[in-house]
Amino acid sequence: DSGVTQTPKHLITATGQRVTLRCSPRSGDLSVYWYQQSLDQGLQFLIQYYNGEERAKGNILERFSAQQFPDLHSELNLSSLELGDSALYFCASSTLGQGQETQYFGPGTRLLVL
Amino acid sequence: AQSVTQPDIHITVSEGASLELRCNYSYGATPYLFWYVQSPGQGLQLLLKYFSGDTLVQGIKGFEAEFKRSQSSFNLRKPSVHWSDAAEYFCAVGAWNTDKLIFGTGTRLQVFP
Repeated sequence: DSGVTQTPKHLITATGQRVTLRCSPRSGDLSVYWYQQSLDQGLQFLIQYYNGEERAKGNILERFSAQQFPDLHSELNLSSLELGDSALYFCASSTLGQGQETQYFGPGTRLLVL
Repeated sequence: AQSVTQPDIHITVSEGASLELRCNYSYGATPYLFWYVQSPGQGLQLLLKYFSGDTLVQGIKGFEAEFKRSQSSFNLRKPSVHWSDAAEYFCAVGAWNTDKLIFGTGTRLQVFP
């Protein structure tokens, strides 16, 4: 158990819908990362937050957005869902997110868009 | 730009045999390198990491990896594989100023009894 929690574990929805994925980092960690794992794209970094502020952005679609709240939990919002958004979404956390740190991954949320 | 290559998509070994999973990276500065393992239906678990210092690093579950700057490689090894090692293994490289990770495509390990 990494100490990172993600909810829900599974999510099934329809095209065009909007969903929210939630992540709670390990106790004491200030930085949260979101990754997408799909069959065709592999594991891809989406976005990083540190203490409520966006720090780094990867290949995140405009239909996707994220935020980190004052209690440090984070939410990833996916809207206008397409079939291709079906994937496993991981959240990870680290202490400061400034390099030379280990990221600890949550169990993931499996999203299926029908 | 950073990149990670794992040339072997799928490897099959017999239980008790030795294992080496290959990882090559491309990065302009000193890389921070990681190996993660993903069991079916599970998240990613850190096996080991290299930041600096001794180029041979030890990890959990009897795994080790050697950083070779001249070959831009960070291969994962285990002297004797157990059936429970069957999983997907990911090599990743980190940037110097954030922990954003670039992952390889993964190597799926199958272990025969």
